[in-house]
Amino acid sequence: KQEVTQIPAALSVPEGENLVLNCSFTDSAIYNLQWFRQDPGKGLTSLLLIQSSQREQTSGRLNASLDKSSGRSTLYIAASQPGDSATYLCAVRSILTGGGNKLTFGTGTQLKVEL
Amino acid sequence: DVKVTQSSRYLVKRTGEKVFLECVQDMDHENMFWYRQDPGLGLRLIYFSYDVKMKEKGDIPEGYSVSREKKERFSLILESASTNQTSMYLCASRRTGNQPQHFGDGTRLSIL
Repeated sequence: KQEVTQIPAALSVPEGENLVLNCSFTDSAIYNLQWFRQDPGKGLTSLLLIQSSQREQTSGRLNASLDKSSGRSTLYIAASQPGDSATYLCAVRSILTGGGNKLTFGTGTQLKVEL
Repeated sequence: DVKVTQSSRYLVKRTGEKVFLECVQDMDHENMFWYRQDPGLGLRLIYFSYDVKMKEKGDIPEGYSVSREKKERFSLILESASTNQTSMYLCASRRTGNQPQHFGDGTRLSIL
């Protein structure tokens, strides 16, 4: 059974700092890994999708990496801003779970960027 | 941009009522999903559908049913609402293949 863990559960940084969020998963048989952002009381916004054959994906100040063999992904946020404050979730689409249709989510990292 | 629209942001119902949550997507996606999100438990899959009239149980289907009569619409039905179904409900859709999943804004449902 796939399990996804995100550490730390919460993180507070000053504005302008570069930061890394971590995601680990137990089963490396995956199609892809997706990073989401969730603002309080809202739905999830897709940030980046990394296919199992890829090492990294970039979008603006965000860079996500994937090391499938070790079961790890990182989300790097450059020059953090107060508007980046949110909960960040990673989700893994496993080959052997739910007929390959299901995402398994981590419990998220709550990020606060302070002025 | 993909748009997944959930019919209500907030909903208050009474125990025993039959409750319908509606979700519509505008990108002709084959796959649609219903999740619930609870503090400390994260997101849990209730049901998903990979085609019209097709459905598969997720991790917590008990007390719920779904309907997909048209490709763009996926409905979640609480047959007889109970207080333990108070939660945030999230709908999502995805095109077949290694494509990203897109979510709606959620419906916060309270059962009194």
